Amino acid sequence: QLQLQESGPGLVKPSETLSLTCTVSGGSISNSIYYWVWIRQPPGKGPEWIGSIYYSGTTFYNPSLKSRVTISMAMSKNQFSLQLNSVTAADTAVYYCTKDSLANRNLDSWGQGTLVTVSS
Amino acid sequence: QTVVTQEPSFSVSPGGTVTLTCGLSSGSVSPTYYPGWYQQTPGQAPRTLIYSTNIRSSGVPDRFSGSILGNKAALTITGAQADDECDYYCVLYVGSGIWVFGGGTKVTVL
Repeated sequence: QLQLQESGPGLVKPSETLSLTCTVSGGSISNSIYYWVWIRQPPGKGPEWIGSIYYSGTTFYNPSLKSRVTISMAMSKNQFSLQLNSVTAADTAVYYCTKDSLANRNLDSWGQGTLVTVSS
Repeated sequence: QTVVTQEPSFSVSPGGTVTLTCGLSSGSVSPTYYPGWYQQTPGQAPRTLIYSTNIRSSGVPDRFSGSILGNKAALTITGAQADDECDYYCVLYVGSGIWVFGGGTKVTVL
């Protein structure tokens, strides 16, 4: 059973870079049957897909965030990461990592989420 | 910019049936959009109920079912219970690796 866990700073200053890591256990991120996904949810609002990465390194980003987002993988650590540049208060949200199963396009195995607040 | 639409709120009586829908600002939802439905209680991560239109996630009671109704995806709750009162979100795969979530429906059981 795959389990995902987010980690990273809970507070980021405006204009700086938000960096989060998702550690995957119970399976390998080099498995070709999954995309690895970041999703966020601002307080009181619905989830928003940020982007996905495939084991090959291919990435897909939300067009509204594409200019500020980078998703990468660290195979040796079985982790994938999110970087969001030039953050503002609007980026305050709970950030989740999850996986997209290619066979049935199921976004499942969500991490517990980590709240990131953008404030000076 | 693709917008996914959901009813903001719905009320259902205990034991009753409610159908939530998930549409597109432009066009019709079909199975090729792999509609998914999530249930979320306050402070918790979303829980997958349905994926790929109508496949129930492991452990989800069979009173939750997914379908395509007309030009929208639909989630039907049959025999609503008090603990079904929470937020429900749909998500659609719109191609090119992109997923779009709906704004959510708050379901009240009373």
